[in-house]
Amino acid sequence: SQQGEEDPQALSIQEGENATMNCSYKTSINNLQWYRQNSGRGLVHLILIRSNEREKHSGRLRVTLDTSKKSSSLLITASRAADTASYFCATAYILTGGGNKLTFGTGTQLKVEL
Amino acid sequence: DAGVIQSPRHEVTEMGQEVTLRCKPISGHNSLFWYRQTMMRGLELLIYFNNNVPIDDSGMPEDRFSAKMPNASFSTLKIQPSEPRDSAVYFCASTVGGWGYTFGSGTRLTVV
Repeated sequence: SQQGEEDPQALSIQEGENATMNCSYKTSINNLQWYRQNSGRGLVHLILIRSNEREKHSGRLRVTLDTSKKSSSLLITASRAADTASYFCATAYILTGGGNKLTFGTGTQLKVEL
Repeated sequence: DAGVIQSPRHEVTEMGQEVTLRCKPISGHNSLFWYRQTMMRGLELLIYFNNNVPIDDSGMPEDRFSAKMPNASFSTLKIQPSEPRDSAVYFCASTVGGWGYTFGSGTRLTVV
């Protein structure tokens, strides 16, 4: 079953605008990760935020995490047409047998128009 | 680094046939995951290996699905017999320590 639900399901903006995507999850996590998927391609890891962190930046990306609300947001600033893709949040929790189990949300389809 | 390598990229097979998907993880990564992606169900974790040992196979849909990891550099996902509802894109991913997964390009399986 899906651990995360993302909002909105689809987002269309103009180049130069900021894009914000939200993710909610259900269980306690070790970390939360965001991935990007271009049409017909595999997923690419964008950024990871640990459960004891509240905010993280990487280039034009800003991620926040609120463990009390079990939610996260991904902000892409100054969007470009090349940012058009699907964005997924993924929650990781530690398995008894070792390692992390990563469960993906439903994704947000972002379209950046010229 | 060639990344996670999956083969084949595309597979079309007839219902009832055996299908084998292959994955070569990144050298040094000790965890490997098989995911399935469909429009209806999104990304589903099928099975997870840690140090070549299956840790969690609760996502494997039926006994028709099996996965092996005979060594650190190779894994297979087998479907026998295949059914049309198995049609999906199957992804393999690897990681070390769980800090960011690297995905392969996927195998698009079509069962007719």
